[in-house]
Amino acid sequence: DQQVKQNSPSLSVQEGRISILNCDYTNSMFDYFLWYKKYPAEGPTFLISISSIKDKNEDGRFTVFLNKSAKHLSLHIVPSQPGDSAVYFCAASPRNAGNMLTFGGGTRLMVKP
Amino acid sequence: ETGVTQTPRHLVMGMTNKKSLKCEQHLGHNAMYWYKQSAKKPLELMFVYNFKEQTENNSVPSRFSPECPNSSHLFLHLHTLQPEDSALYLCASSRGQGAGPETQYFGPGTRLLVL
Repeated sequence: DQQVKQNSPSLSVQEGRISILNCDYTNSMFDYFLWYKKYPAEGPTFLISISSIKDKNEDGRFTVFLNKSAKHLSLHIVPSQPGDSAVYFCAASPRNAGNMLTFGGGTRLMVKP
Repeated sequence: ETGVTQTPRHLVMGMTNKKSLKCEQHLGHNAMYWYKQSAKKPLELMFVYNFKEQTENNSVPSRFSPECPNSSHLFLHLHTLQPEDSALYLCASSRGQGAGPETQYFGPGTRLLVL
């Protein structure tokens, strides 16, 4: 059973608008969460992370929100750009094993010019 | 060369072949990882090495054999693979500070096709 789920396999957004990518998890031991971006023929690239002691972390156009009670996190991209078109993976690790990442299945984001 | 590199980028092998995948990290990290990404499935962690010692084997079949001669290099030796082993194999590295949270940095992957 998948412990990290990204229920939307794809998302299409107009350039300049907000992209919201969602991720749900089931393991209450997870306390560190990351988002990666992956272009075709490349490995995943680290984007942004958040610790469970926070509920928001911002880095430029990218903001990650964490709702621990709902076991839900989301990545907001504002404004979206065509170069943001990629597959986005969320990942989580437990507090006693920070290097054991569990990944979601990914969401393909398409930003239309 | 910067970051995490992997060779070869593409590999086609028969079920009776023996081949090796190579990973090298230039980030001064102490932990290295092998992941497998099959079509339409999430990345699956295969092996973890911390300071050259294997600390995790995620129930991987013995036809996959990792080797970590030093903190900068990681190999995955392949023998008698099956067609269902065809996948993207990704290497990653991280600082290896202990139990705390870590960000992993990935190589570009090796696309493997087993015929």
